[in-house]
Amino acid sequence: QSVLTQPPSASGTPGQRVTISCSGSSSNIGSNYVYWYQQLPGTAPKLLIYRNTQRPSGVPDRFSGSKSGTSASLAISGLRSEDEADYSCAAWDASLSLVFGGGTKLTVL
Amino acid sequence: QVQLQESGPGLVKPSQTLSLTCTVSGGSISSASYYWSWIRQPAGKGLQWIGRIYTSGNTYYNPSLKSRVTISVDTSKNQFSLKLTSVTAADTAVYYCARGGVATRDLDYWGQGTLVTVSS
Repeated sequence: QSVLTQPPSASGTPGQRVTISCSGSSSNIGSNYVYWYQQLPGTAPKLLIYRNTQRPSGVPDRFSGSKSGTSASLAISGLRSEDEADYSCAAWDASLSLVFGGGTKLTVL
Repeated sequence: QVQLQESGPGLVKPSQTLSLTCTVSGGSISSASYYWSWIRQPAGKGLQWIGRIYTSGNTYYNPSLKSRVTISVDTSKNQFSLKLTSVTAADTAVYYCARGGVATRDLDYWGQGTLVTVSS
């Protein structure tokens, strides 16, 4: 059972905009930054969003993050087939632990 | 370009100790700008943070694993290591090592991961 809650699956058609939610509590998302990781099939996670909204160099601006209260969202616009992957949110907890969501498998139809 | 590579036995017997090493290349493990973490992922499940170590030697562990985990660093070899004692089948997972930014607190570089199976 993951500390952060994500929907297990999401889907969209090419060109569409898709959002993935991540719900936590006041001890994690509510008081700390949110991070998003993309995991292509059979590969290691890759940092997609840090500090709620920031994109590392090389991450397309089609990917955007937001946070409100104890929830966060990842939005992907102009969906492409190569975006098909698992997406996980993460946040630091008051216990100084890093907690993750269970991951959302995105399917591009 | 920083690269991380996990190494260690792929099969561990129940009740024994799981030992993995992460070798860092393309950068110094002694940099105060970074910390070093272990994360695992059971098949078909989400990521679980195991712990982290700073170049100062300070360590922080997942409370659910704290009694069984030790993370250490060997700056002379540019490596850091994970030891997990008294393993059971529930510890079967892909284990990743990763670099974290002290300022950003993200995990910006990851190893490719190594599958460790606990079975007799």
